[in-house]
Amino acid sequence: QSALTQPASVSGSPGQSVTISCTGTGSDIGGYNYVSWYQQYSGKAPKLMIYGVSSRPSGVSNRFSGSKSGNTASLTISGLQAEDEAHYYCGSYTRGSTLMVFGGGTKLTVL
Amino acid sequence: EVQLVESGGGLVEPGGSLRLSCTASGFIFSNAWMTWVRQAPGKGLEWVGRIMSKTAGWKTDYAAPVKGRFTISRDDSTNTVSLQMNSLNTEDTALYYCTIGFCDTTTCHWDDAFDRWGQGTMVTVSS
Repeated sequence: QSALTQPASVSGSPGQSVTISCTGTGSDIGGYNYVSWYQQYSGKAPKLMIYGVSSRPSGVSNRFSGSKSGNTASLTISGLQAEDEAHYYCGSYTRGSTLMVFGGGTKLTVL
Repeated sequence: EVQLVESGGGLVEPGGSLRLSCTASGFIFSNAWMTWVRQAPGKGLEWVGRIMSKTAGWKTDYAAPVKGRFTISRDDSTNTVSLQMNSLNTEDTALYYCTIGFCDTTTCHWDDAFDRWGQGTMVTVSS
């Protein structure tokens, strides 16, 4: 069982917006502004999409945005495109010897 | 261009050992904190451990499931980070990724955001 909780799947039609939630605790998401989001296509390595809760690395589309409220972080993808269909993982820095915890992943389907 | 190339994966029996390596290029390796993340087949990502740079004391940290069994080391002369895995069990079966954070205009995100990943090397623990 993953430390952070994500919905197993979400879906949306092209052009729509979808939001993926990621719930943790005060020891991870709630305690630090170090939430990151990763996109992973089947058979490929993860790609960093969001860091520091809401910052985008260079080259990542501004259709991707992140936010946080309390112990829950969210990734919103606006203007859905077919190429957005992938698995998305959240991650958070945490206290303790395990420095980073991840969610179980969410499969995004573009209808 | 940043490149991370893992090697050393394979099939090993429960209780056995394996040593993974990750060779890096395209950045100043000696400054980077190197992290290992694994992904069991069909499952999510799991942080395994990290080694800091020499200037940060080469400090290592490990996830609870691997602490005492896995050891991360680095050789800055060859731009290589290694993961020595002992007392392997079936739950260690996974694709093992080498990954690094990055520095933006204000701070370095070595432990909280992984910007570059290798292609992974598969470890299968089975009798």
